[in-house]
Amino acid sequence: GAGVSQSPSNKVTEKGKDVELRCDPISGHTALYWYRQSLGQGLEFLIYFQGNSAPDKSGLPSDRFSAERTGGSVSTLTIQRTQQEDSAVYLCASSLSGPYGYTFGSGTRLTVV
Amino acid sequence: SQELEQSPQSLIVQEGKNLTINCTSSKTLYGLYWYKQKYGEGLIFLMMLQKGGEEKSHEKITAKLDEKKQQSSLHITASQPSHAGIYLCGAGLGTSGSRLTFGEGTQLTVNP
Repeated sequence: GAGVSQSPSNKVTEKGKDVELRCDPISGHTALYWYRQSLGQGLEFLIYFQGNSAPDKSGLPSDRFSAERTGGSVSTLTIQRTQQEDSAVYLCASSLSGPYGYTFGSGTRLTVV
Repeated sequence: SQELEQSPQSLIVQEGKNLTINCTSSKTLYGLYWYKQKYGEGLIFLMMLQKGGEEKSHEKITAKLDEKKQQSSLHITASQPSHAGIYLCGAGLGTSGSRLTFGEGTQLTVNP
């Protein structure tokens, strides 16, 4: 597609449930990033995929968070046993390589009630 | 403390006024990026600066990079309500240069 697509745009879930957030990057972009933006906060890095290399998971806040990238394209961020502090906007970005030319999706607003 | 510090955190100006937002890094910069975000939307790329002393302009927005000070400034001339939003700086820092680290953002309000 023309841009980075994220779904759903909004998600309300009950505490303790698992959620999956999807990111469809720009075709041909080998790098894919997940960030989290909490109210009034900057962007917090979560995880980074580059081609076939092992992902950089150094930003994942706990083992409840995981992400996959299938076939070097679509990525899914999974949050297990959601907590209220997981409420945030989850942003995905892709680029051809590294930080140059990041393009962001519109994000998924997650609310845990 | 933040690796990228933005100041001010928020700014309210009257339409037509000039303003400056600063971004200072505690680590070596490998490229500095400015983005704008409106509520409920993703980040829109504004400019990328790579070399010390580099200055770029787009419409009424100018950004400069001072590599020695590890600092960048974003200047808006004759602000308009359409400039309102959150401005974020991002940079490739040190050994994590393959991804961007972001500042906390500056919330800009422009009153008509």
